[in-house]
Amino acid sequence: DTGVSQDPRHKITKRGQNVTFRCDPISEHNRLYWYRQTLGQGPEFLTYFQNEAQLEKSRLLSDRFSAERPKGSFSTLEIQRTEQGDSAMYLCASSSGSDTQYFGPGTRLTVL
Amino acid sequence: EDQVTQSPEALRLQEGESSSLNCSYTVSGLRGLFWYRQDPGKGPEFLFTLYSAGEEKEKERLKATLTKKESFLHITAPKPEDSATYLCAVEAMYSGGGADGLTFGKGTHLIIQP
Repeated sequence: DTGVSQDPRHKITKRGQNVTFRCDPISEHNRLYWYRQTLGQGPEFLTYFQNEAQLEKSRLLSDRFSAERPKGSFSTLEIQRTEQGDSAMYLCASSSGSDTQYFGPGTRLTVL
Repeated sequence: EDQVTQSPEALRLQEGESSSLNCSYTVSGLRGLFWYRQDPGKGPEFLFTLYSAGEEKEKERLKATLTKKESFLHITAPKPEDSATYLCAVEAMYSGGGADGLTFGKGTHLIIQP
């Protein structure tokens, strides 16, 4: 499968714990995006990378959220001190330049 | 601020009953309008990109059209497997090559009954 992959697919955690999600983009894509989707809503843009540079991060929901793409390949999204309101689907997408974004299957986070 | 409004929120059709989904948008400068299909518990699946008013694209039973203020997704003779949430999104033009991600609507939840 040469599509976008995300790991884990599901994560259950307790309030206050830190969680990290991984995204592997389509191999030749230089742009990588993170979105959050809550029930009944469309995806909400969080941040994006062009190669290893994070070019937009003002949309990250709070300073508890951070993302990295250290070698311009895979990316991680970390949420520190999780809250119940962080429960959502976290989606990753990749593109070649400004072309169409292709999405991964998502990571479903449940905070108890 | 870029905005996307989709209607109806939900639509139930009989198999073979054609209909259209609406996506109204406001954006400072449109670089592209995108349609995605999303099945429950899965990521959005790309369908179409439209770039300029008057443009149309087709794929099997789906046809997307674009005007300066809205886009329509026409579904002809749908089948039960077309049941899904259909998402519309816009991407704005930014000078200097920047990007701000896609702005999505809430989607239209489509159910096709056999």
